[in-house]
Amino acid sequence: ELKVEQNPLFLSMQEGKNYTIYCNYSTTSDRLYWYRQDPGKSLESLFVLLSNGAVKQEGRLMASLDTKARLSTLHITAAVHDLSATYFCAVAAGYALNFGKGTSLLVTP
Amino acid sequence: KAGVTQTPRYLIKTRGQQVTLSCSPISGHRSVSWYQQTPGQGLQFLFEYFSETQRNKGNFPGRFSGRQFSNSRSEMNVSTLELGDSALYLCASSLNDNSNTEAFFGQGTRLTVV
Repeated sequence: ELKVEQNPLFLSMQEGKNYTIYCNYSTTSDRLYWYRQDPGKSLESLFVLLSNGAVKQEGRLMASLDTKARLSTLHITAAVHDLSATYFCAVAAGYALNFGKGTSLLVTP
Repeated sequence: KAGVTQTPRYLIKTRGQQVTLSCSPISGHRSVSWYQQTPGQGLQFLFEYFSETQRNKGNFPGRFSGRQFSNSRSEMNVSTLELGDSALYLCASSLNDNSNTEAFFGQGTRLTVV
């Protein structure tokens, strides 16, 4: 059974600071996704990572994938309040996505 | 381009009843997946359909079932509702033609069982 672990689960950070969210998974997969969820809302797709060494950036967020280490990171640069949300990584196993527990991010002034 | 549409958005049902949720995927998308989100268990995979065939099923009891129609719209049904079935049910669609496997989620149906 594919297990996905995210850490930290809760993160409070000041505006302007940098931080990294980690996503470890237990078995080989060919796809890893990052999603954002605002309270009471659905999941918004942020990144799809398909190969070892893949790096994608959008604004203040950058995601990377190391398939050998079974590790993905979501790096936040110079955080702003608008980034406050819950971030999920999801690892594909066949036609299913296995989600981590999510990282609740709060960016404070 | 319209996104994934789920109906209804909110439902309140009584224990023992059954419920049917609907999902219309993005036009051209042929794969539809269903997920249950609860505070305790997080996001869990229910099942996935492609061209009216269930290709994968998660670890849920038989009370949870689904189907997909020829226009790719999908429904999921939960029979004999239990209090623990209260959750946000999310539907995702994707092309699934091996060149673009990004999954897009609908707004979800929030089911409350009382």
